[in-house]
Amino acid sequence: DQQVKQNSPSLSVQEGRISILNCDYTNSMFDYFLWYKKYPAEGPTFLISISSIKDKNEDGRFTVFLNKSAKHLSLHIVPSQPGDSAVYFCAARPLTQGGSEKLVFGKGMKLTVNP
Amino acid sequence: DGGITQSPKYLFRKEGQNVTLSCEQNLNHDAMYWYRQDPGQGLRLIYYSQIVNDFQKGDIAEGYSVSREKKESFPLTVTSAQKNPTAFYLCASSHRGNYEQYFGPGTRLTVT
Repeated sequence: DQQVKQNSPSLSVQEGRISILNCDYTNSMFDYFLWYKKYPAEGPTFLISISSIKDKNEDGRFTVFLNKSAKHLSLHIVPSQPGDSAVYFCAARPLTQGGSEKLVFGKGMKLTVNP
Repeated sequence: DGGITQSPKYLFRKEGQNVTLSCEQNLNHDAMYWYRQDPGQGLRLIYYSQIVNDFQKGDIAEGYSVSREKKESFPLTVTSAQKNPTAFYLCASSHRGNYEQYFGPGTRLTVT
């Protein structure tokens, strides 16, 4: 039973255009959502996060939107650059007693930005 | 230069052998994690440890074992009981109470 879902396995966009990566979740007890970027044969790197009490967080070209009623979040990259080509993972932290820092990851989405 | 190191980057073993993957961090993080990545599967949590001498099973702990004798180190042993050990293994760490996890470069294990 997958709690964090990235239903589209891949996305291809032109350089300079917007990339929109989507993520859906089923557990209402997540308190933080994160996006990680991963290049082949490397570990994921943290990109941006959002608290469940917010609906938007922006950092440079990256903006994450959270729609709690729809249990949906999205990552917008504007403008997209060829260096953004990577696999992007959506992750969520369950709100549990004891303050566990466990994260639940989606399956990832491969973004390709064409020059 | 702080970070997480995993060694080796590539590891080959024969079926039936136990193998230990190394993970060291100098970020002074309390919590450490092991994940496994398979194609199309995303990251799945194997074990995690929030403090020294304590660890908990993740979602796919069967066939694996860990130890946490030092804050800096969290080695993972892939035992012969693990039915499909060939995968990319990632170690991560975080401060307690902080959701952001920092990842190492990973170890690709191939068992034949």
